[in-house]
Amino acid sequence: GENVEQHPSTLSVQEGDSAVIKCTYSDSASNYFPWYKQELGKRPQLIIDIRSNVGEKKDQRIAVTLNKTAKHFSLHITETQPEDSAVYFCAASFDNNNDMRFGAGTRLTVKP
Amino acid sequence: KAGVTQTPRYLIKTRGQQVTLSCSPISGHRSVSWYQQTPGQGLQFLFEYFSETQRNKGNFPGRFSGRQFSNSRSEMNVSTLELGDSALYLCASSSERRVGEQYFGPGTRLTVT
Repeated sequence: GENVEQHPSTLSVQEGDSAVIKCTYSDSASNYFPWYKQELGKRPQLIIDIRSNVGEKKDQRIAVTLNKTAKHFSLHITETQPEDSAVYFCAASFDNNNDMRFGAGTRLTVKP
Repeated sequence: KAGVTQTPRYLIKTRGQQVTLSCSPISGHRSVSWYQQTPGQGLQFLFEYFSETQRNKGNFPGRFSGRQFSNSRSEMNVSTLELGDSALYLCASSSERRVGEQYFGPGTRLTVT
């Protein structure tokens, strides 16, 4: 089955700096890669996703890149703000179904 | 549209008991997936229901089961509870038009003593 690895497990940046979180997946058939943000005590929220027919997607300060050949995808947050502090999860799903496999999460801390 | 709702929000049970958790998806969403979240294991996929049928299943023992009703509401049942079942149980719904794009409920925090 699909296995998703996520790095780093913790990341601390200064406000205004960029943050990058990387994930690798094992199943080349995976074709949907979402990213979720989970604040303390709250539900995971979908913040951006990418499907395998594109290599990059941007939404304001957030971008995701996908390298299908290398089987890795990354989340980029620019101009970080303290409210970006949360745990971020990457995930991959196979064949457009809802059997989602998650990475272990990255705890991002943005220091003011 | 109202979001995904889950009841109860908190539950305390004793080892050996069973528990039923409920999830109401976003209106119009027919797929409901269940996940277990623990500090050690992260988010793990339990199963997915679509149109009252289990469509996908993760690697959990048979003590974990679920069902879905005709209005798309779903229930998850855990029998013979073990201490290791203590976790946050999250459900997520998605629509057929955007498979994979899942919206989570607030979760049920289950504590087994």
